[in-house]
Amino acid sequence: AQSVSQHNHHVILSEAASLELGCNYSYGGTVNLFWYVQYPGQHLQLLLKYFSGDPLVKGIKGFEAEFIKSKFSFNLRKPSVQWSDTAEYFCAVNAEDYKLSFGAGTTVTVRA
Amino acid sequence: GAGVSQSPRYKVAKRGQDVALRCDPISGHVSLFWYQQALGQGPEFLTYFQNEAQLDKSGLPSDRFFAERPEGSVSTLKIQRTQQEDSAVYLCASSLTRGGLTLNEQFFGPGTRLTVL
Repeated sequence: AQSVSQHNHHVILSEAASLELGCNYSYGGTVNLFWYVQYPGQHLQLLLKYFSGDPLVKGIKGFEAEFIKSKFSFNLRKPSVQWSDTAEYFCAVNAEDYKLSFGAGTTVTVRA
Repeated sequence: GAGVSQSPRYKVAKRGQDVALRCDPISGHVSLFWYQQALGQGPEFLTYFQNEAQLDKSGLPSDRFFAERPEGSVSTLKIQRTQQEDSAVYLCASSLTRGGLTLNEQFFGPGTRLTVL
């Protein structure tokens, strides 16, 4: 079974700072990769996904992620965060079946 | 509605009580999933339905957990004789297509927060 690790438990940033959240997975085969976001009081929403093709994927709200197969990584980035980006971010992997395996999540707090 | 809905949003149960959690997926979605999210953790897979067929229940933690989707739309997750360790947020998700590598996005509901006293 695949596992997903997110490197940071809690990240605190100031507005306009750049954000990078690490995600590594353990599975040697073909994978689909996702980043989900959960804003305070809201449900999980898809931020972006990678199925195949260009390893640099762009999602909503200015987020992007890069799939590096050799490093088993799918790191999330945003060049300039806003206060409204305060949320919990989850990396998830789907490997040759229908289940999503999630990381433990990273809480991002953006200070105005 | 436009999204996945779940009810109740919050449930407090005394240890030993039975509970039933409901999920209304997006209309027309073939696949339905239940996940359990413990405090400070990511969601963990419980079970998967394709239409009314429960194809995978490998994530259900014990035989006290039971899920059904009798008509291929609404699903119910039932927990019998609840224990304190069952306290968690239970998430339902639905997807348009069948499972597999061509899996479409899973759309999540708001979850039911279960607290067992």
